[in-house]
Amino acid sequence: DIVLTQSPGTLSLSPGERATLSCRASQSVSSAYFTWYQQKPGQAPRLLIYGSSTRATGIPDRFSGSGSGTDFTLTINRLEPEDFAVYYCQQYDASSITFGQGTRLEIK
Amino acid sequence: EVQLVESGGGLVQPGGSLRLSCAASGFTISSNWMHWVRQAPGKGLVWVSRIKIDVSDTSYADSVKGRFTISRDNAKNTLYLQMNSLRAEDTAVYYCARENWQVWSWGQGTLVTVSS
Repeated sequence: DIVLTQSPGTLSLSPGERATLSCRASQSVSSAYFTWYQQKPGQAPRLLIYGSSTRATGIPDRFSGSGSGTDFTLTINRLEPEDFAVYYCQQYDASSITFGQGTRLEIK
Repeated sequence: EVQLVESGGGLVQPGGSLRLSCAASGFTISSNWMHWVRQAPGKGLVWVSRIKIDVSDTSYADSVKGRFTISRDNAKNTLYLQMNSLRAEDTAVYYCARENWQVWSWGQGTLVTVSS
């Protein structure tokens, strides 16, 4: 199975700053089937980015995704208080579905 | 509006069985690939099982293969996960999810606790 490794494990930033989250795959994955989620305590994952770079419906434009092959990035500009949460990357295809272990974005 | 509502979770003893349900609305589950994903307390997301449009085309994570069975009832527009021979390590919130091309939609989850 494809292993997704997210870094850093925890990111401590202040509101207004920029967050850069990384997700590295153990082998090349299709950008079309690469996704980012946000999850807050007690809630289901919320779709942020699909197809590596397309924002889901209702997601503010301060969230952006990029990358291809084995390296993907989620960038959050001008952090808002509601952005502090855990973020997961995901890849999926006909034979394999895996998630990264998550990056916790916490208020500094 | 797409909606997924899971139910059937609860406390079960090791070795026991449980059947989870996921009632869908706003779309037809037989026209989509559907998944179960779980999350142990304080841990990350782990894919469990998938059923494709062809109901005979199912797949499972190695950790549940031979113990869990995914199925659906088209008339009720409901997805199921039959879980047998449950273990402590199966304790988790179980989410059902719809895969619609590149967009996944998720339910709110149901908690399964395996403990004596």
